[in-house]
Amino acid sequence: GAVVSQHPSWVICKSGTSVKIECRSLDFQATTMFWYRQFPKQSLMLMATSNEGSKATYEQGVEKDKFLINHASLTLSTLTVTSAHPEDSSFYICSARGSTSGSWTDTQYFGPGTRLTVL
Amino acid sequence: QKEVEQNSGPLSVPEGAIASLNCTYSDRGSQSFFWYRQYSGKSPELIMSIYSNGDKEDGRFTAQLNKASQYVSLLIRDSQPSDSATYLCAVSWGSQGNLIFGKGTKLSVKP
Repeated sequence: GAVVSQHPSWVICKSGTSVKIECRSLDFQATTMFWYRQFPKQSLMLMATSNEGSKATYEQGVEKDKFLINHASLTLSTLTVTSAHPEDSSFYICSARGSTSGSWTDTQYFGPGTRLTVL
Repeated sequence: QKEVEQNSGPLSVPEGAIASLNCTYSDRGSQSFFWYRQYSGKSPELIMSIYSNGDKEDGRFTAQLNKASQYVSLLIRDSQPSDSATYLCAVSWGSQGNLIFGKGTKLSVKP
């Protein structure tokens, strides 16, 4: 149990375009979802936290108008990178936390990640 | 500022040996602690969580927590080449339970 999927797994886009990444919890209800970014040879950096039905909370330094997050249901969150530029090229990973097997857990389960390359 | 510190490694051990990974954290109020494994180019996968002082064993893995010393460790017994990866220590904090990650320790298990 506790499976999280992401789509797409990789995407290449032109500078100035927008890209949407989906994160789904497949077998549990994710009350909270997290979006991370990881540059090569660096650790994960939290970008934002979203609770189902609420506005996302962004970490300091993350532009909320550039990285649009929607968490409209207990199984789906989306991250849209608007007007992407080459410096946005990175590995974007979501995680989800919620109720599994009927009980709430504070463990975050990670999706497989989306590798974004902006040309 | 809340921090999680790990030795970056690389830590190299021979196959069959015990690998010992260490982590310290700065926030005394932290209650939940996690070890994740991350293979190159992949996302983290959960190995273990630990919440109470002492040891927690799961197969070849043992997590150890000492809240007084603000120290958490992971032991991997009978290390295998497939254990070669970066191991991330994560500590949760705040009402949202956000995770703060260490930079990870790169483990290499030599056949």
